[in-house]
Amino acid sequence: KAGVTQTPRYLIKTRGQQVTLSCSPISGHRSVSWYQQTPGQGLQFLFEYFSETQRNKGNFPGRFSGRQFSNSRSEMNVSTLELGDSALYLCASSLYSGPTDTQYFGPGTRLTVL
Amino acid sequence: AQKITQTQPGMFVQEKEAVTLDCTYDTSDPSYGLFWYKQPSSGEMIFLIYQGSYDQQNATEGRYSLNFQKARKSANLVISASQLGDSAMYFCAMRESGTGNQFYFGTGTSLTVIP
Repeated sequence: KAGVTQTPRYLIKTRGQQVTLSCSPISGHRSVSWYQQTPGQGLQFLFEYFSETQRNKGNFPGRFSGRQFSNSRSEMNVSTLELGDSALYLCASSLYSGPTDTQYFGPGTRLTVL
Repeated sequence: AQKITQTQPGMFVQEKEAVTLDCTYDTSDPSYGLFWYKQPSSGEMIFLIYQGSYDQQNATEGRYSLNFQKARKSANLVISASQLGDSAMYFCAMRESGTGNQFYFGTGTSLTVIP
């Protein structure tokens, strides 16, 4: 089975621009979560989607949004980019969204905001 | 309160030795899962091992074992026979049903294996 894929792998943007990141989960997985990882803040939860519905949301401003499609693929969008948005964005998928469901991560998208 | 606490920012271990990475968790939910992930310098998070709250036995996966002490709310990762490729960040995580099954991660432990 193919793992979680994320595109693009690297991205350079300037302040004020917007960006869309894409995540394709493991085949059959219905839950997709997004995380932001920075050296200063560590790994922070952005949101989780399950069957096209947002189930959980982290403490991020409204500039961060996401969605999930009927094939479970997910996108996250960041509008009006700020320098502090430079980070590794990780996507993870799990079969369902229960306490025993393991999340499997993609390779991440490294976003640099100049 | 922190859901997951990893108190060891950095650890060193001699090659071929065993090492224990500490993790404590906080939950009042009877149903939860505990997970360990490895993150090499490349950035990808690699799933290592899982322990369910109702599991009677400690989980093992190859050289990885999870020392689960439910009453103490600890879930330490034991790596036996350390290899140079084990040098990485290690994250402990928990998923509990009471908070919508959201994943909570610790701050991580940086492990360096010395030849």
